[in-house]
Amino acid sequence: NAGVTQTPKFQVLKTGQSMTLQCAQDMNHEYMSWYRQDPGMGLRLIHYSVGAGITDQGEVPNGYNVSRSTTEDFPLRLLSAAPSQTSVYFCASSSLGFTAGELFFGEGSRLTVL
Amino acid sequence: AQSVAQPEDQVNVAEGNPLTVKCTYSVSGNPYLFWYVQYPNRGLQFLLKYITGDNLVKGSYGFEAEFNKSQTSFHLKKPSALVSDSALYFCAVRDLSGYALNFGKGTSLLVTP
Repeated sequence: NAGVTQTPKFQVLKTGQSMTLQCAQDMNHEYMSWYRQDPGMGLRLIHYSVGAGITDQGEVPNGYNVSRSTTEDFPLRLLSAAPSQTSVYFCASSSLGFTAGELFFGEGSRLTVL
Repeated sequence: AQSVAQPEDQVNVAEGNPLTVKCTYSVSGNPYLFWYVQYPNRGLQFLLKYITGDNLVKGSYGFEAEFNKSQTSFHLKKPSALVSDSALYFCAVRDLSGYALNFGKGTSLLVTP
């Protein structure tokens, strides 16, 4: 059982480039989300989805796009990378009753923007 | 907004001693509180949660947390620390939308032999 799988694990971009961070889960979870982790700031929510075709913004959505065409996949797109987007990105999923349950996290994608 | 604070950046404890990692919360209504652990170069793992009921919550790996409403605290505890407990610990609270967790800044726990 793979759980939540993120690719790539590491990526270096130049300012202005675009890229997509991939996230897939095999637990049939309705809820999926993207967080970014920065030193001394904990984790901050970027976007989330409660099912295929449904997405919404979190605390720090600017510069990022998401879509949810299937239950399994929730890619995060950086449209025009900026150095401020250098961070570690985590995808997390859960059943919709997650407030009584728990989030399952991927192992992270470390992005550096030069 | 629902928020948590972790007042300590780092906690050091000797193996075999009890450990406490502190968390205080600020919420409207009843809090849904969580603890997660992050080992180096890994994602976060769920440890335990408080939704309602007993103030002492037991979780994974021998950890427990005490919910204290009068002190608005949710401290993580373990009676006897292991070197393998060394990691980054995050306290979190469900936000008002119900679709996000608001995390604290994290506390680094170092257990020395």
